[in-house]
Amino acid sequence: RKEVEQDPGPFNVPEGATVAFNCTYSNSASQSFFWYRQDCRKEPKLLMSVYSSGNEDGRFTAQLNRASQYISLLIRDSKLSDSATYLCVVNLMDSNYQLIWGAGTKLIIKP
Amino acid sequence: EAQVTQNPRYLITVTGKKLTVTCSQNMNHEYMSWYRQDPGLGLRQIYYSMNVEVTDKGDVPEGYKVSRKEKRNFPLILESPSPNQTSLYFCASSSHPSRGRASYEQYFGPGTRLTVT
Repeated sequence: RKEVEQDPGPFNVPEGATVAFNCTYSNSASQSFFWYRQDCRKEPKLLMSVYSSGNEDGRFTAQLNRASQYISLLIRDSKLSDSATYLCVVNLMDSNYQLIWGAGTKLIIKP
Repeated sequence: EAQVTQNPRYLITVTGKKLTVTCSQNMNHEYMSWYRQDPGLGLRQIYYSMNVEVTDKGDVPEGYKVSRKEKRNFPLILESPSPNQTSLYFCASSSHPSRGRASYEQYFGPGTRLTVT
């Protein structure tokens, strides 16, 4: 079992719709969680951190469910420019500070 | 402009021919790392460095070497490349992770697409 798992998609969503996807992690000791966005053939960029209480940034909402060991990303009123691959990242906060990356969920917003 | 640069961006080479991919950052970051990205797999860490002259193996270090002689530079060396090292490589930097959650934001270079025939 992979340490961090994501549905690869693609999720094909009409513009203006709401879309959500999850990311599950296997290590219950995981402490920090992040969503990164990666455009085709480009480098990943931080979208948002995920806090225990959940957090919102404009149209984006991130949630953490420690009991079930998953994080989620919700995008409201989706735009064409939201088309990208969304990468889930987990950190154990161990001595190596190593980040564990999911393979990503591809999102395609259609006009 | 704060950035991480990598060179070359694209490289096609043959098995066994030593190559170096350079990485440089201008943000005075202590932490730097190299990742490879392959279809269907997440970013996998090759090597990382917490500071000058301090380097450690990541998840997939076999076949790679790194050095950190200066804070800004972190080159990746493939002494004898093989076809299974064909991949997209990213260099990343951040503040030292011990400084808290905010320091975990990784700034990535634009990537190097390597093909080994």
